[in-house]
Amino acid sequence: DARVTQTPRDKVTEMGQEVTMRCQPILGHNTVFWYRQTMKQGLELLAYFRNRAPLDDSGMPKDRFSAEMPDATLATLKIQPSEPRDSAVYFCASANGLAGNYEQYFGPGTRLTVT
Amino acid sequence: GQSLEQPSEVTAVEGAIVQINCTYQTSGFYGLSWYQQHDGGAPTFLSYNALDGLEETGRFSSFLSRSDSYGYLLLQELQMKDSASYFCVLNSGGYQKVTFGTGTKLQVIP
Repeated sequence: DARVTQTPRDKVTEMGQEVTMRCQPILGHNTVFWYRQTMKQGLELLAYFRNRAPLDDSGMPKDRFSAEMPDATLATLKIQPSEPRDSAVYFCASANGLAGNYEQYFGPGTRLTVT
Repeated sequence: GQSLEQPSEVTAVEGAIVQINCTYQTSGFYGLSWYQQHDGGAPTFLSYNALDGLEETGRFSSFLSRSDSYGYLLLQELQMKDSASYFCVLNSGGYQKVTFGTGTKLQVIP
């Protein structure tokens, strides 16, 4: 069955290193979201794309985070340089934008630990 | 901007009915949806209300009142597996931006 995939599932890195997270949305979905979840802040929307174009990245720290969609089957979220406060679970989700964004399909998440 | 408020925790007995409330503030929106998230898992879509009234999906129902800026998720015949966090979500803006509430952790006890 169709599902969103994310890699890696777990990532432990040292402060200052670059981190790249990848997401493959469900085939045919034209809207992709990146979220970050922590106990303190809950689930935060970082950025989202429609038809590979960024629509809103106001939730993302611009100085160190970047999000792209090189093609319709791949979304990436990069952090450079990483900091301990970036430790969180990062979720990617996709939706059929034509039907509305209310029904999103989430990937399993990438658990990032920055030491 | 938008904001949503939910109770942080709710406890209910297996087999009973529980209602999780959500109040929101927004200048305009398309609808209110609900997601379930088990510990260690990803959020999964449960229900969506574009219009006022009740939407029923099996044991789960969701309600929206735009005039009261209020919605709720109703879970009937509670099962142990319903223990999870539940999020209300606003769908708004020109590009249908989504805003998640803080979540309600439901504990179902025997």
